Amino acid sequence: RKEVEQDPGPFNVPEGATVAFNCTYSNSASQSFFWYRQDCRKEPKLLMSVYSSGNEDGRFTAQLNRASQYISLLIRDSKLSDSATYLCVVTLGAGTALIFGKGTTLSVSS
Amino acid sequence: SAVISQKPSRDICQRGTSLTIQCQVDSQVTMMFWYRQQPGQSLTLIATANQGSEATYESGFVIDKFPISRPNLTFSTLTVSNMSPEDSSIYLCSVTGGESYEQYFGPGTRLTVT
Repeated sequence: RKEVEQDPGPFNVPEGATVAFNCTYSNSASQSFFWYRQDCRKEPKLLMSVYSSGNEDGRFTAQLNRASQYISLLIRDSKLSDSATYLCVVTLGAGTALIFGKGTTLSVSS
Repeated sequence: SAVISQKPSRDICQRGTSLTIQCQVDSQVTMMFWYRQQPGQSLTLIATANQGSEATYESGFVIDKFPISRPNLTFSTLTVSNMSPEDSSIYLCSVTGGESYEQYFGPGTRLTVT
């Protein structure tokens, strides 16, 4: 079983749509959780951390369910500029390696 | 977040040769990491580089193939030795500092081995 699994994608949505990505992780000792965004031929960039209480940053909402070992990312009012690959990432602690999912590709069209 | 640069940004190399990739950070950081992203794949950790100690390699990666140096708190190198076409990948360094769980990535080095 892969350590971090994501929706296979790709997701093709029109501008203004709401889209949700799901992710599960296998190691219950995982301590921190993130969503990274990777544009084509670029390095991954931190989008947001994910907390048990859920957190929101503008149009982006992330949720964590530790009991189910499940992480989600909701994007509201999609923009063309949201087109990218979204990587679900977990880590076992500060200064430890990031464990990446394979990513879900989002394409927003006008 | 730290500003991270990598050199070279890309290279095309012949099989059997070696390439050294440099990673420079604009501030002192405790831990640096080297990742590989093969075509169409996600990132895989190669090793963790701490200043003043030997790098720690992940399963499937060995020091003879990927020697790493970490001479100070702002710089590291990764060498890809005796290259084969299977080594064609993007190689990225990342940093985390202090108690931070987050990591920030350099722009990557795109390596093609012919």
